[in-house]
Amino acid sequence: AQKVTQAQTEISVVEKEDVTLDCVYETRDTTYYLFWYKQPPSGELVFLIRRNSFDEQNEISGRYSWNFQKSTSSFNFTITASQVVDSAVYFCALSRYNTDKLIFGTGTRLQVFP
Amino acid sequence: KAGVTQTPRYLIKTRGQQVTLSCSPISGHRSVSWYQQTPGQGLQFLFEYFSETQRNKGNFPGRFSGRQFSNSRSEMNVSTLELGDSALYLCASSLGSSGSSYEQYFGPGTRLTVT
Repeated sequence: AQKVTQAQTEISVVEKEDVTLDCVYETRDTTYYLFWYKQPPSGELVFLIRRNSFDEQNEISGRYSWNFQKSTSSFNFTITASQVVDSAVYFCALSRYNTDKLIFGTGTRLQVFP
Repeated sequence: KAGVTQTPRYLIKTRGQQVTLSCSPISGHRSVSWYQQTPGQGLQFLFEYFSETQRNKGNFPGRFSGRQFSNSRSEMNVSTLELGDSALYLCASSLGSSGSSYEQYFGPGTRLTVT
């Protein structure tokens, strides 16, 4: 069975602090895909990143970075120099090969205070 | 490029009624998926359609059904509504096709309240 665990329910930081959101996944597949989505108060899920299981290279996009480690089944997300606009619920998700079906974690609510 | 659109945005229904929600994917996207989001159960997968065929179905009762049209637009239907069906229903579209799992872009959702 596939599963995604986001153990951090809520994180509060002050602006400009760095913050890491943890994601641990379970799957027996050799080919799979990992995603991060952001859900601001408006409710719409915003796509952030997609990574396949064969690409363990870390990725950086502006203030966002992702660390994928197959050895620990983790796909963690770091926001550097957080801003108030980063306040949202962040979801990690997993899908299998040849399907768009996403299995979501329970999400981490990030609050960034000025 | 226009994003995923969902109609209606808000809906209030009574127990026992049925409801149809609509989703228009991003132009060129052929895959549409539906998800239900509730505070208690989180985000749960309902269906996945590609080229008018249901490719995957989540663990929901038969009261939940869906379909996809030749222009990739999709509808989902819930019959005999129950209080527990109150949720945010999200539609997502992707390029689809086979051999991968594509990034999905979500619509703003339909907030369904069952009284």
